[in-house]
Amino acid sequence: AQSVAQPEDQVNVAEGNPLTVKCTYSVSGNPYLFWYVQYPNRGLQFLLKYITGDNLVKGSYGFEAEFNKSQTSFHLKKPSALVSDSALYFCAVRPNAGNNRKLIWGLGTSLAVNP
Amino acid sequence: NAGVTQNPKFQVLKTGQSMTLQCAQDMNHNSMYWYRQDPGMGLRLIYYSASEGTTDKGEVPNGYNVSRLNKREFSLRLESAAPSQTSVYFCASSQETGVGFGAFFGQGTRLTVV
Repeated sequence: AQSVAQPEDQVNVAEGNPLTVKCTYSVSGNPYLFWYVQYPNRGLQFLLKYITGDNLVKGSYGFEAEFNKSQTSFHLKKPSALVSDSALYFCAVRPNAGNNRKLIWGLGTSLAVNP
Repeated sequence: NAGVTQNPKFQVLKTGQSMTLQCAQDMNHNSMYWYRQDPGMGLRLIYYSASEGTTDKGEVPNGYNVSRLNKREFSLRLESAAPSQTSVYFCASSQETGVGFGAFFGQGTRLTVV
C-alpha cells in the first residue's frame, strides 16, 4: 500500500538553530511531493512542492526541502528556526501513476521552537 | 481572493441531530475533498469529488453523505450525528489536471457532538 511516514511526532529546536522535519514515502513512479503547515486553529497552508528538476526546492517563510529519490525522502529544512515557526507540519504525496491520484498524507509533526 | 470558504466555523450538535457543512471554492478547481482531523490520526479523507457530478468514498465515509452541487460547492451531511464524529472538518480543492499545486484548504469547522 502507498504510504507517507513522518517518523517524528514532535521536533524541538532552539531559536536560531537549523531544523529538519523528516518525511519518507512509499509510492510508485515519480510522485509530486508537498509540505503543508498548520498553525493553531487554522487550516492547512501550502508551503512548498517538488514536481521535477532541482532536488532542493525553496518555499515560503525561508523553508526548503530536499528530494532524495534513492532514499524516497523529502525532508523539510530551515537554516535558522524562529519561534513563529512553531506549528504542525504535514508531508503529502500525490501519485502520478494509476487511477488513484489523491494526496496521501503523513500524520504530521509538531514543531516547537524554543526561545 | 476567498479561496475555499467553509461554514459554519463552529457547531455543537446533540447525538442524533443532523447538519450540513457547506464548502465553496472560487478557483474553478475540478476536485474537492472533505477531510477530518483528529489528534494522532492526521488527516483522513471522508469523501471526494473528482469533478462536478461525481463523488467517491474516501477512507472514513461511514455516517456521512456528500453533494457536489455544482463546480463551486461541495457539502458534507451528517444525518444522525454521533460523538465519534466530534472532529475538525476541512474542505479542500485542487486542480487535478494541472501541474499539481497540491490542495487549498478552508479554515475548518470544529464540530462537537454531545
